[in-house]
Amino acid sequence: AQSVTQLDSQVPVFEEAPVELRCNYSSSVSVYLFWYVQYPNQGLQLLLKYLSGSTLVESINGFEAEFNKSQTSFHLRKPSVHISDTAEYFCAVSDSSASKIIFGSGTRLSIRP
Amino acid sequence: DTGVSQDPRHKITKRGQNVTFRCDPISEHNRLYWYRQTLGQGPEFLTYFQNEAQLEKSRLLSDRFSAERPKGSFSTLEIQRTEQGDSAMYLCASSSTLAGRTSYNEQFFGPGTRLTVL
Repeated sequence: AQSVTQLDSQVPVFEEAPVELRCNYSSSVSVYLFWYVQYPNQGLQLLLKYLSGSTLVESINGFEAEFNKSQTSFHLRKPSVHISDTAEYFCAVSDSSASKIIFGSGTRLSIRP
Repeated sequence: DTGVSQDPRHKITKRGQNVTFRCDPISEHNRLYWYRQTLGQGPEFLTYFQNEAQLEKSRLLSDRFSAERPKGSFSTLEIQRTEQGDSAMYLCASSSTLAGRTSYNEQFFGPGTRLTVL
C-alpha cells in the first residue's frame, strides 16, 4: 500500500520569498510522484511529475521538485513566489500501473503582499 | 472545450434520496476515474474503468454506490439512500494508456460535482 504525508496544512509566505512544500511518501514498489495544484474555484491541475530519469523535475511556472529515494521525499520548491501562486497543493503517488493516485491531505499556500 | 466535464456542478439533496452524477472524459481517453474529496482533505480514489470494464473499486465504495461506463465513453456514479456523510466533492478524471502519447497515465481532472446532503 502507498501513502503520502504532507506535514504542513498551511504555509504563509511573503511575495517574492522562497517556499518549500514538504512531501513524504511510503511505498513498497516503484512509484510515480506528482504535484497537483488547485486554484480557488478551479479543478485539479497537474503541476509536475516524476516518472523516471532525472530526479529534479520542473514546471513551466518556476516550481521544481526533487525525488529523493533514500529519504522518500518529493518536496516542492520555488525560489520566488507570486500572488498568483495562491492555491492548494497536493502531493500524490501512484504505482507504475498508474491505476489510481493516492493524494496527500494538501498544503494551502497563501501569499502575503 | 475538450477537457473533462461533469454534470451537475452542484447537487443538494435530502437524506435518503438517490443521486446520479455524470462524467464525460476527454475524447479517446480509455481510462476514467472517480474520486471523492471532503473538506480539508485530498481526493480519495473510489473506482476506475478501462474502456467499459470496471477494474478496481475502493473499500470506500459501499454497496450504496454504483458506477457504470456502458459504452466506454461517459460514466455515471449513483449514490442510493444518501447520507449526510456522503456530502463531498466528487471528481472525475480521465487518462490514456495508448503508447506513444507523452501524457501517458497523466490524469486530467474535471471541475467536480459538489454534493450536499441535508
